[in-house]
Amino acid sequence: ETGVTQSPTHLIKTRGQQVTLRCSSQSGHNTVSWYQQALGQGPQFIFQYYREEENGRGNFPPRFSGLQFPNYSSELNVNALELDDSALYLCASSPSVANVLTFGAGSRLTVL
Amino acid sequence: DQQVKQNSPSLSVQEGRISILNCDYTNSMFDYFLWYKKYPAEGPTFLISISSIKDKNEDGRFTVFLNKSAKHLSLHIVPSQPGDSAVYFCAANFGNEKLTFGTGTRLTIIP
Repeated sequence: ETGVTQSPTHLIKTRGQQVTLRCSSQSGHNTVSWYQQALGQGPQFIFQYYREEENGRGNFPPRFSGLQFPNYSSELNVNALELDDSALYLCASSPSVANVLTFGAGSRLTVL
Repeated sequence: DQQVKQNSPSLSVQEGRISILNCDYTNSMFDYFLWYKKYPAEGPTFLISISSIKDKNEDGRFTVFLNKSAKHLSLHIVPSQPGDSAVYFCAANFGNEKLTFGTGTRLTIIP
């Protein structure tokens, strides 16, 4: 049973650019959630996808968008990057909409 | 508005002793509480959870206590082992809503 895998692990972008982060969910999981963890903070909920539809969104602007594909993998897209977008982006999957999430190791984004 | 608070950024405990990590919450709607453990360069991993209808849940060396009147929960690890050194996050939600995380407590077990 493979866990949640994320790519890339690290990346550096400049302000104003766009970024796409990718996530493969754990086998058998059909729900994907994305979290942003800034330095010294706990993970903050961005949004969740269930069966390819957005199923809840946190307090993030529209320039944060996502997709879930038929194989339940997912993408997080961030447009017009700002310095404060520098963070660890965590993807988590779960079997249906459930409490216990399985997290990937994250993608660390640095915006210069 | 920090709805889940972990007021101790760090904690050091001697190997073999009890580690107690604390968490406070403000939202009385929360009905499910979880603890996650995070090692460097890894994602958080689920450790233990408790429903609001219970006041204690035990799993091996790990016990979570919930005091609803005080809006407080704690994680007890006994005996503490060097492999327990990690950052511990408290999280909560209600229904099937998003998880709200605390800021974490870095636990260091001293051999």
